[in-house]
Amino acid sequence: KNEVEQSPQNLTAQEGEFITINCSYSVGISALHWLQQHPGGGIVSLFMLSSGKKKHGRLIATINIQEKHSSLHITASHPRDSAVYICAVSLNTGNQFYFGTGTSLTVIP
Amino acid sequence: DAGVTQSPTHLIKTRGQQVTLRCSPKSGHDTVSWYQQALGQGPQFIFQYYEEEERQRGNFPDRFSGHQFPNYSSELNVNALLLGDSALYLCASSWRTVYGYTFGSGTRLTVV
Repeated sequence: KNEVEQSPQNLTAQEGEFITINCSYSVGISALHWLQQHPGGGIVSLFMLSSGKKKHGRLIATINIQEKHSSLHITASHPRDSAVYICAVSLNTGNQFYFGTGTSLTVIP
Repeated sequence: DAGVTQSPTHLIKTRGQQVTLRCSPKSGHDTVSWYQQALGQGPQFIFQYYEEEERQRGNFPDRFSGHQFPNYSSELNVNALLLGDSALYLCASSWRTVYGYTFGSGTRLTVV
């Protein structure tokens, strides 16, 4: 069983739709990260969360520490949001990250 | 302010060969972590270097080795390449191992 589980694996949306990607984890964490990876590989860090909620533009990330769950929301989705979104956690013990397998998002014009 | 720089961007090698990948951390960062990302999978932790020493290691065989130089840059070496080593290799840098985690764009390794 993976320490980090994401859903859905694939998501197709029409431009303008509200999108939610979910992440559950099974270990004690010091922080949870949402990452964006475009075709070709480069990863960009979107959010780092240890509690509550963060917002950046059309992106919103929330975390519930008690339930070991986080969500990434995209409002008014746009084709340029098409990418793989990866949830990663850094553990209380040690400095490495554990990654989910990612959610592949395609936004259709 | 340059981010994390990885070289080369793409590489094709033959089974059994050896390969060296390079990573220059973001300015101000002193820690380099290496990850392997197979197609359709999330990145898997290989190892982390801090103060020129391997501090943590994931579940990878000894064919995977690394080095960190005094200027904090790092190399990942893979010996006796297997077809299954084909992947995107990502480098991430940070400060004092955990702060300001920043990823590079990766090196795409294809083993034929």
